[in-house]
Amino acid sequence: AQSVTQLDSQVPVFEEAPVELRCNYSSSVSVYLFWYVQYPNQGLQLLLKYLSGSTLVKGINGFEAEFNKSQTSFHLRKPSVHISDTAEYFCAVRRYNTNAGKSTFGDGTTLTVKP
Amino acid sequence: DTGVSQNPRHKITKRGQNVTFRCDPISEHNRLYWYRQTLGQGPEFLTYFQNEAQLEKSRLLSDRFSAERPKGSFSTLEIQRTEQGDSAMYLCASSLISAGRDEQFFGPGTRLTVL
Repeated sequence: AQSVTQLDSQVPVFEEAPVELRCNYSSSVSVYLFWYVQYPNQGLQLLLKYLSGSTLVKGINGFEAEFNKSQTSFHLRKPSVHISDTAEYFCAVRRYNTNAGKSTFGDGTTLTVKP
Repeated sequence: DTGVSQNPRHKITKRGQNVTFRCDPISEHNRLYWYRQTLGQGPEFLTYFQNEAQLEKSRLLSDRFSAERPKGSFSTLEIQRTEQGDSAMYLCASSLISAGRDEQFFGPGTRLTVL
């Protein structure tokens, strides 16, 4: 079984400041890793994913994340945030297997960007 | 590509009533997933289909819950004898399984309130 822990439930930050949202996972098998963003009353939108290869992954809206296998972490970063980045962010894992369909999500981090 | 659609977007019902939700996936996608999201938590996996076959069901899915995907296209999720604890956002996602890549695209969700 897999589990995901998002270490901060809320992250307040000022506009144009850098931000890091932390995600640790636990799994006995290799996994794919994902970050999603959810705006109020909307579904989830994929920000970025790690499937294999380079451990630094770049996504949409200027976000990037680094996979650290030894620390089982996949932290999300952005060098300069905007008001529009205010949203809920979810880290997720899925087994490294074509037939392993389901994703396991963390409980989310609320990012609030203040002017 | 019109995205994943879900209907209705909101449903208010009284305890004990039956409700049915519909999900229309992206047209060429062969996998369809249902998740449930309660306030302050990440999505929890309920079940998924590959074409019309239901491949996995979560232990969260009690006997009151049933899902179908009769022709391998749209899917319905029915909850019988609703309880207040069923109040949640029900999310549908679809994907195209291809060469080990299985990116899930989420719909906007159906918010269920059980009074």
